[in-house]
Amino acid sequence: SQQGEEDPQALSIQEGENATMNCSYKTSINNLQWYRQNSGRGLVHLILIRSNEREKHSGRLRVTLDTSKKSSSLLITASRAADTASYFCATDKSNYQLIWGAGTKLIIKP
Amino acid sequence: ETGVTQSPTHLIKTRGQQVTLRCSSQSGHNTVSWYQQALGQGPQFIFQYYREEENGRGNFPPRFSGLQFPNYSSELNVNALELDDSALYLCASSLQGAGDTQYFGPGTRLTVL
Repeated sequence: SQQGEEDPQALSIQEGENATMNCSYKTSINNLQWYRQNSGRGLVHLILIRSNEREKHSGRLRVTLDTSKKSSSLLITASRAADTASYFCATDKSNYQLIWGAGTKLIIKP
Repeated sequence: ETGVTQSPTHLIKTRGQQVTLRCSSQSGHNTVSWYQQALGQGPQFIFQYYREEENGRGNFPPRFSGLQFPNYSSELNVNALELDDSALYLCASSLQGAGDTQYFGPGTRLTVL
């Protein structure tokens, strides 16, 4: 079963623009993580945000978490061609299992 | 680049056969999780091993089994392969399971004909 659902499913923007992706989930969580995947290969961790945090930054990435709405957003500022990838959110269903959404496919046009 | 490696990179099998996939975890990580990712979907949790014991399992049948070795490397075994088993199989190592950053290998692409 998939707990997280990313929105939109696909996003195409011009290089230099900002990209915003959203993730909704169904049950309470301890943490939410965002990952990037290039061309169907391994996933790369971007940010982990805990349930008692509202916002985290890492370089050009900004993640927010609203536990009352059971949602999170990932903002990528000043996008680059190298940001073209699929982005996934994952939430902890238990202390061993992460539940993943179907991802947002981001395309950065030169 | 993570320190997690997987082998083989690609594999083609026929229905009914058995397959073993291998994963070497990042140095110092005692937890390995396996995922199945169908095309266009997010990863689905198969199971997790912690210090050589399975400590959690997703909604996968018993023909999916695994092992973890004293050096924390791991194997995923799938028996009686079905066409729907065609997918990218990912392993991830971590220090503390779902509450921690997962470090993924590049995956094994399994095709079942």
